[in-house]
Amino acid sequence: NAGVTQTPKFQVLKTGQSMTLQCAQDMNHNSMYWYRQDPGMGLRLIYYSASEGTTDKGEVPNGYNVSRLNKREFSLRLESAAPSQTSVYFCASRGAHTGELFFGEGSRLTVL
Amino acid sequence: GQQLNQSPQSMFIQEGEDVSMNCTSSSIFNTWLWYKQDPGEGPVLLIALYKAGELTSNGRLTAQFGITRKDSFLNISASIPSDVGIYFCAGQRDTGRRALTFGSGTRLQVQP
Repeated sequence: NAGVTQTPKFQVLKTGQSMTLQCAQDMNHNSMYWYRQDPGMGLRLIYYSASEGTTDKGEVPNGYNVSRLNKREFSLRLESAAPSQTSVYFCASRGAHTGELFFGEGSRLTVL
Repeated sequence: GQQLNQSPQSMFIQEGEDVSMNCTSSSIFNTWLWYKQDPGEGPVLLIALYKAGELTSNGRLTAQFGITRKDSFLNISASIPSDVGIYFCAGQRDTGRRALTFGSGTRLQVQP
């Protein structure tokens, strides 16, 4: 059982480049989330999707867009990367009746 | 911004010692969770607390949901080297997004 799968695991971008982080879950969960993790700041919510076809902003949405492609997949896009977006990005999912988030292994992004 | 105050930021202990860490908030949360993150991995749920005053154990781990619903603590007894990692508290309010707010983490190092 793969759980939550993120790709790529590592990426280096130049300022102004664009890229998409992919996330897929095989647990039939309704809700999916994108967090970023920076040293000393824990995990901060970028965007979330409560169900297929819906998305909403989290705590730090500026500079990002998301797409809930179907129930399984939730992608995060950086249209014009900035050094401030250097971070580790985590995708997570949650079923309808539990508070537990299941996380992917993370995607480490460096913007030069 | 960050709404959960987690302390201590880091701990360096000897194997066999007990560990205690806590989280406080100025806001009420209806669910408290504790996660552990190993290097290069996503966070994994350790304990979930759903009721004010609840005390829950999972092996050597014990966590409590504060009676005011504004705090929680995690204790680890008889630490072992594999306890090394970053521990995060997380809280959830009863809102539509059902997203978690994370503390900044406690980095634990255990000297064998």
